[in-house]
Amino acid sequence: NAGVMQNPRHLVRRRGQEARLRCSPMKGHSHVYWYRQLPEEGLKFMVYLQKENIIDESGMPKERFSAEFPKEGPSILRIQQVVRGDSAAYFCASSPGTPDTQYFGPGTRLTVL
Amino acid sequence: GNSVTQMEGPVTLSEEAFLTINCTYTATGYPSLFWYVQYPGEGLQLLLKATKADDKGSNKGFEATYRKETTSFHLEKGSVQVSDSAVYFCALRVGGGSQGNLIFGKGTKLSVKP
Repeated sequence: NAGVMQNPRHLVRRRGQEARLRCSPMKGHSHVYWYRQLPEEGLKFMVYLQKENIIDESGMPKERFSAEFPKEGPSILRIQQVVRGDSAAYFCASSPGTPDTQYFGPGTRLTVL
Repeated sequence: GNSVTQMEGPVTLSEEAFLTINCTYTATGYPSLFWYVQYPGEGLQLLLKATKADDKGSNKGFEATYRKETTSFHLEKGSVQVSDSAVYFCALRVGGGSQGNLIFGKGTKLSVKP
């Protein structure tokens, strides 16, 4: 059973470009969580999604960030008009239903030049 | 608000030494507590958890006890190995049902020398 997959593992963007981060949950998991880790910081919750629904986006910045988890395909975290402060590691986790058991992907390291 | 504070690293130990990584928390209500481990180049893995006061979580020789009176969840291992070198994250979750994201500490990097 493959684990949570994220791609790309490393992403470089120039200021003003768009970044798209993908997360494929474990087979059978319909709950996805996105976290961001800034340098020298712990992971910070961003958004919690179930298939086709955003359940909790209390950690998402109000502008430029959006997330989706369509009926088919991976979950996407989209950052428009990236700025240097968006440089971070973005982790995705999935669970079968109970938030306690979250399985994490390897992360995407975003660098904004 | 809810938060987790864990000891800053890096922590460097010799093989077979005793390990303690301190973790304290602030939370409204009654949180569940977790330790996650991140090996180089990999995602976070759940190491152990405890869901109520006085519970002890244990796995792979690691253990931590949920202490409500001191709001702590310190991670311990009696004899570390080189393969334990990783970053360890303490985390909590409040809320029930489908609510309740994880709140993490900043992580403690452990290096074990042979």
